[in-house]
Amino acid sequence: DAKTTQPNSMESNEEEPVHLPCNHSTISGTDYIHWYRQLPSQGPEYVIHGLTSNVNNRMASLAIAEDRKSSTLILHRATLRDAAVYYCILRLKTNTGTASKLTFGTGTRLQVTL
Amino acid sequence: NAGVTQTPKFRILKIGQSMTLQCAQDMNHNYMYWYRQDPGMGLKLIYYSVGAGITDKGEVPNGYNVSRSTTEDFPLRLELAAPSQTSVYFCASSPTSGGANEQFFGPGTRLTVL
Repeated sequence: DAKTTQPNSMESNEEEPVHLPCNHSTISGTDYIHWYRQLPSQGPEYVIHGLTSNVNNRMASLAIAEDRKSSTLILHRATLRDAAVYYCILRLKTNTGTASKLTFGTGTRLQVTL
Repeated sequence: NAGVTQTPKFRILKIGQSMTLQCAQDMNHNYMYWYRQDPGMGLKLIYYSVGAGITDKGEVPNGYNVSRSTTEDFPLRLELAAPSQTSVYFCASSPTSGGANEQFFGPGTRLTVL
């Protein structure tokens, strides 16, 4: 299975943009890049996903490198409520090909300060 | 919609006891998943189901059993609890398979085995 590499932690000031990097050098052509986040004491929450092109939604933007070996999640204006662990995940088929599992690493813990 | 619900929120078991963690979703999703999360780690897939009557093992299935008699419910059974099963358990669902589909997570069950 292709793996992702993320920094263990990052800090940001409130109201400033945050760029969370992810390396996935062994990504295959059919892998989607997903980002989830986990707020303290909660289940993971979907943030955004993409395949080849950059993507925007109401929560964040996803910038994908041309060779797809890395991506960056962009929070345009961090707030205290964005403090969470952010997971970069390649969406893979299971071995049987009948369901698509999420393989979680340890993610990046984002701290947001005033 | 309530989304994905899990009961109980917390439970303490003695070694050798058994219990069932309940999971239900009201989004008519075919795919359901059970994950566990140990302290400071990412989530690991225990079992998943692609529809009523169909289940399959994930990465860490030992010590657990599942059943899927309806689309809505996906209970996880621990037969002989061991301290190594102390963890937070998350249930998730998704509408279809495929890398573009997000998973919706429940709030989790925190289990301690003493």
